[in-house]
Amino acid sequence: EAAVTQSPRSKVAVTGGKVTLSCHQTNNHDYMYWYRQDTGHGLRLIHYSYVADSTEKGDIPDGYKASRPSQENFSLILELASLSQTAVYFCASSWSSSAETLYFGSGTRLTVL
Amino acid sequence: GDSVTQTEGLVTLTEGLPVMLNCTYQSTYSPFLFWYVQHLNEAPKLLLKSFTDNKRPEHQGFHATLHKSSSSFHLQKSSAQLSDSALYYCAPNTGNYKYVFGAGTRLKVIA
Repeated sequence: EAAVTQSPRSKVAVTGGKVTLSCHQTNNHDYMYWYRQDTGHGLRLIHYSYVADSTEKGDIPDGYKASRPSQENFSLILELASLSQTAVYFCASSWSSSAETLYFGSGTRLTVL
Repeated sequence: GDSVTQTEGLVTLTEGLPVMLNCTYQSTYSPFLFWYVQHLNEAPKLLLKSFTDNKRPEHQGFHATLHKSSSSFHLQKSSAQLSDSALYYCAPNTGNYKYVFGAGTRLKVIA
């Protein structure tokens, strides 16, 4: 079974503060993704990466940065957290093929106050 | 751009009745289609994915048929169970490693 672990499981942050969400996978997958989940919007892609030291913008990258220092680790960074970034964030990984399954982490519930 | 449309909102069914959740997609290319299921407070996980040879995928009593002519991949089950209550996502992948998720359909099965 593929393993993707996220930390923290939940976090409360203040508006304007910096938040870092971490993701670690032990599957040797090439691709890693960050999604946010909001009621009524489903899962939306923020950033993704297909190789270490490189990241790509997804569909809603504004206000977020990503970092992939190694194949196993992928971080999502909110430099200046805002109320609108309150959501559940999922990390996922997959092999490099359009037919491959996404394996999701357990999610991080972020509340910005 | 690529997009997907699912049965909107909440679908409430009585246990034992058939399930059908609609999914249609819009894409320039022929994508692989996936159904992911997310139970309460859990991560999404794969339920089904389409095959290249038009076989009908099945898992846990669920099945889905890819109809390229109508760009659809509807999810079906003959008899709903209480444990099927969850959020269901249809997601095409057109080959650029970007899955397109719809808003999801929440299925609630009642006794």
